[in-house]
Amino acid sequence: AQKVTQAQTEISVVEKEDVTLDCVYETRDTTYYLFWYKQPPSGELVFLIRRNSFDEQNEISGRYSWNFQKSTSSFNFTITASQVVDSAVYFCALKRGNAGNMLTFGGGTRLMVKP
Amino acid sequence: DAGITQSPRHKVTETGTPVTLRCHQTENHRYMYWYRQDPGHGLRLIHYSYGVKDTDKGEVSDGYSVSRSKTEDFLLTLESATSSQTSVYFCAISEGGGPSTDTQYFGPGTRLTVL
Repeated sequence: AQKVTQAQTEISVVEKEDVTLDCVYETRDTTYYLFWYKQPPSGELVFLIRRNSFDEQNEISGRYSWNFQKSTSSFNFTITASQVVDSAVYFCALKRGNAGNMLTFGGGTRLMVKP
Repeated sequence: DAGITQSPRHKVTETGTPVTLRCHQTENHRYMYWYRQDPGHGLRLIHYSYGVKDTDKGEVSDGYSVSRSKTEDFLLTLESATSSQTSVYFCAISEGGGPSTDTQYFGPGTRLTVL
């Protein structure tokens, strides 16, 4: 069975602080895909990134960066110099490589960035 | 933004009544999905479709049925709504071009309350 754990249910930071959101996953598949989605207060889900299991290169996109470590089954998300607009619920998700298209989501982390 | 609309956006109904939620896409994507979002559970897959009239069950399919008679529309039906089906329902779409490139994009959500 697949499982995604986001142990931090809520995080509160002050603007300009760096913050890391943790994501730990469980799967027996050798090929799988990891995702991060953002859900701002308006409620929609916004796709941020996907990472394939065979590509362990970390990725940076502006203030966002992702650290994928297969050895610890983690796919952590860091926001540098956080801003109030980063306040949202962030979801990590896992998809099996060769068995359907179902996404298994973590419970989400609510990030509050205070001015 | 992916062209996905959901209707209605909000609905209040009573226990035992039938309810149908509609998802409409303008992207001509092959795959469509229905998820429900509940606190602490992230999103969980209810049903998905991989083509017209081709559907399959997800993780939490009991009490739900779906239909897809056209590429652009995917309907979710609660035959007899129960209070446990109070939730936010999200539709998602993906091209289905292959697992290494396939990404799901989500609609705006429908908030359903069953009294």
